[in-house]
Amino acid sequence: GAGVSQSPSNKVTEKGKDVELRCDPISGHTALYWYRQSLGQGLEFLIYFQGNSAPDKSGLPSDRFSAERTGGSVSTLTIQRTQQEDSAVYLCASSPRGTSGSEWETQYFGPGTRLLVL
Amino acid sequence: SQQGEEDPQALSIQEGENATMNCSYKTSINNLQWYRQNSGRGLVHLILIRSNEREKHSGRLRVTLDTSKKSSSLLITASRAADTASYFCATDAGGTSYGKLTFGQGTILTVHP
Repeated sequence: GAGVSQSPSNKVTEKGKDVELRCDPISGHTALYWYRQSLGQGLEFLIYFQGNSAPDKSGLPSDRFSAERTGGSVSTLTIQRTQQEDSAVYLCASSPRGTSGSEWETQYFGPGTRLLVL
Repeated sequence: SQQGEEDPQALSIQEGENATMNCSYKTSINNLQWYRQNSGRGLVHLILIRSNEREKHSGRLRVTLDTSKKSSSLLITASRAADTASYFCATDAGGTSYGKLTFGQGTILTVHP
């Protein structure tokens, strides 16, 4: 079946503008994660959705970052008033966590969105 | 902050040789996972080893885990040029951090044909 998809692949924006990044997880996966990969910080956890539970937002770097997951499927990561330090690759992953199976913690990553803030 | 630290940072070998990468971490874990990344884009899951496991195999991959030393190693046998990529270990601490992977800085592997 289809893997995790993300859009857009690349996004160039001006400082101060808002951006929305989209993630389509693997069908049936209950858990969805956002990570950020930048040169200075490596791969960092941002936010985690599990089923209908309240999301774990502990990794969001500031209140300019928010995310939602509609209908337990598609997720949107929104960055308001973008700053140059927000430039990074934003990766989404999903996992079948909570279902049966030998490795339900395995996270399957999308190709990422490369964000450049000018 | 990065819990995992990997060494070497870069590894260059000839096709057919074995490649070994190491990962150390600081806190207790539920599981440890290894991922591969090509060209700075999506991560491909390679193997997951649980805290109560000591060794796991998948094809040409062998992963070991020593929870007393808080370390893991990834061995790629009979390497191929197509194995050229960055390799990351990631730990899942479980508990309230369940599912939140903490990644190491990665090892850049170059396999020369």
